[in-house]
Amino acid sequence: DTGVSQNPRHKITKRGQNVTFRCDPISEHNRLYWYRQTLGQGPEFLTYFQNEAQLEKSRLLSDRFSAERPKGSFSTLEIQRTEQGDSAMYLCASSLSGKAYEQYFGPGTRLTVT
Amino acid sequence: KQEVTQIPAALSVPEGENLVLNCSFTDSAIYNLQWFRQDPGKGLTSLLLIQSSQREQTSGRLNASLDKSSGRSTLYIAASQPGDSATYLCAVIRFSGGYNKLIFGAGTRLAVHP
Repeated sequence: DTGVSQNPRHKITKRGQNVTFRCDPISEHNRLYWYRQTLGQGPEFLTYFQNEAQLEKSRLLSDRFSAERPKGSFSTLEIQRTEQGDSAMYLCASSLSGKAYEQYFGPGTRLTVT
Repeated sequence: KQEVTQIPAALSVPEGENLVLNCSFTDSAIYNLQWFRQDPGKGLTSLLLIQSSQREQTSGRLNASLDKSSGRSTLYIAASQPGDSATYLCAVIRFSGGYNKLIFGAGTRLAVHP
C-alpha cells in the first residue's frame, strides 16, 4: 500500500496519560498535515510541516500537544496529560509542494480518553 | 473568518434518486474547493476538486459546481446507490501562510436504502 498510513488506528487511554501517534506519508511527499475531527464535525487543521520544518500551528494545538517530523519523512503527534476533550479522530495528510492543493489523507487514529 | 456550512446535515433516500448536496462559504477569496467522501471510522477520499477558475467538475455519476460570487457549491449525485452511503464533506482551499489551507464543513450524512 503506497498511501498515507497511521498507527495505531485506535487508542483508548485514561485521562492524564500521554499518547503518541505516528503518520507515514506517501514517500515522495514533502508536506505533511495533522487534523483533528470530533464527532459530527469536519476536520480542523492542527499543524503543517514542509520537510522537517513545522511551519504553522493552529491555536487548537495547546501546550500539551507536540508534533515532530525529525527526518522529513514520518511524523509523530504527542498529547501529554490527556483530557476527555481530546477524544477525537486524528487525521494525517500529505502532499507535494508542486501539487499542494492535493492532500491525501490517511485512515486516522481514533483516540478515546476515559 | 472563513465559515463553511453544509445543508442538509443528514439525508436518507431510496435507491435510484438523484441528490443535491449543498455547501456555502462566507469568504469568496478561495483558491479551490474540494468534495470528499468519508466512510464511518475511516479517512477521507477525494471525490472532486474544482479550481477557482472552473465552474464545475464531473466524475462518473458525480458533478460538482462552484459559484464563487454567491459563495456556493453543489454536489449532484445521479442515480444513487446503497454504496453511496457515507458522509460527504466540502472543503474550501485558501492559500495562506505558504500552503493550501483546507477549511471543512461539518458534512452531510447520506444513507441510501435499497
